[in-house]
Amino acid sequence: DTGVSQDPRHKITKRGQNVTFRCDPISEHNRLYWYRQTLGQGPEFLTYFQNEAQLEKSRLLSDRFSAERPKGSFSTLEIQRTEQGDSAMYLCASSLGRQAVYGYTFGSGTRLTVV
Amino acid sequence: DQQVKQNSPSLSVQEGRISILNCDYTNSMFDYFLWYKKYPAEGPTFLISISSIKDKNEDGRFTVFLNKSAKHLSLHIVPSQPGDSAVYFCAASVNNDMRFGAGTRLTVKP
Repeated sequence: DTGVSQDPRHKITKRGQNVTFRCDPISEHNRLYWYRQTLGQGPEFLTYFQNEAQLEKSRLLSDRFSAERPKGSFSTLEIQRTEQGDSAMYLCASSLGRQAVYGYTFGSGTRLTVV
Repeated sequence: DQQVKQNSPSLSVQEGRISILNCDYTNSMFDYFLWYKKYPAEGPTFLISISSIKDKNEDGRFTVFLNKSAKHLSLHIVPSQPGDSAVYFCAASVNNDMRFGAGTRLTVKP
């Protein structure tokens, strides 16, 4: 068990470019979550998958954002036509079921800077 | 809508003393409350949780207290150690929704 892996760790992109992040959850975890964290704030929910099905999306997830989890394993988060306001830490987490008692396992995040 | 609030952005305590981190929430439907710890350049790490049907949960040096009538929870760390220096996030959960507070940066001075 190597934990939740996120790639890349850092990404600097020019405004208007598209970016894609990858998350590899813990292999036996059926749930995968994407959160966004900006400076001085806690993680904000973006979306979650149960296996390959995307079951919930936050209104924070504008139509420029899309997430996939093909085959219920790794997930990708794509941001099209990036804006400076998209600069944030993007966190991925996974769990086996709801895991309210033991919480989610988070990755180290991908820090996006839009210039 | 900020349903989970941590009103103290920072806290500094002396090694060996008690650290008390506070959290308030507004949604009475939350049924689990959690504390996460975050070091720089790492993701949040689960620390301890409490069900809404309990008022206290203890795990070693960490104790979480829940006051449902006041919609308030706190994390006590006794004794505090320099390695406890980190950002602590309070989180509250109902169904598939988990909301986080903005975090409190704890500094434990040797």
